[in-house]
Amino acid sequence: EVQLVESGGGLVQPGGSLRLSCAASEFTFSSYWMGWVRQAPGKGLEWVADIRPDGKDKQYLDSVKGRFTISRDNAKNSLYLQMNSLRAEDTAVYYCARDDCSSSVCNWGAFDIWGQGTLVTVSS
Amino acid sequence: DVVMTQSPLFLPATLGQPASISCRSSQSLVYKDGKTYLNWFQQRPGQSPRRLIYQVSNRDSGVPDRFSGSGSGTDFTLKISRVETEDVGVYYCMQATQWPYTFGQGTKLEIK
Repeated sequence: EVQLVESGGGLVQPGGSLRLSCAASEFTFSSYWMGWVRQAPGKGLEWVADIRPDGKDKQYLDSVKGRFTISRDNAKNSLYLQMNSLRAEDTAVYYCARDDCSSSVCNWGAFDIWGQGTLVTVSS
Repeated sequence: DVVMTQSPLFLPATLGQPASISCRSSQSLVYKDGKTYLNWFQQRPGQSPRRLIYQVSNRDSGVPDRFSGSGSGTDFTLKISRVETEDVGVYYCMQATQWPYTFGQGTKLEIK
């Protein structure tokens, strides 16, 4: 079954760090752009970051630039989000999602596969 | 950044009746390749989002044909021809023509 499984969420103090992971299965991970989308409690969806299949092009939401780093390991079929200098406003469920853009066909932003999400709580 | 504005934010719908959600962007969503990267997602209560429509009007496989998307430039619409109970949830439009990707605020559909 095609799926994405996130892990690594938890409670962290303001100013702290956390690394989220996303394990992909049953599709050619190395061919797709991948992204992170978050959802604060009771709020809407917010795109956070995207990464190209080869890892050399990365895009970020302005409010996380310089604090968050998206990366991937295609050999391990895994996506990561390193989050530093965390703030209370970063509290959210973080979803890993496949951006439906590959080398052959590109439907930008058409996230067609989503994980179940992992909760990050930033609080003292 | 491109601002996406949805209306209404709350949609009390009647079973078997049509429903419609509007999504407007602050800039044209036509990309330099001529395509329009406007997508619609559904989030049912307690679930992860699910893609419904991509590039304005392309319905995902497995999405009932009572869902349709239309529009161009800065004005887009998601229509449900006959609302069913399983359609309860929040609907989001999202533009991917320009970085950063941006979502609308979401429209919560409930059954009257």
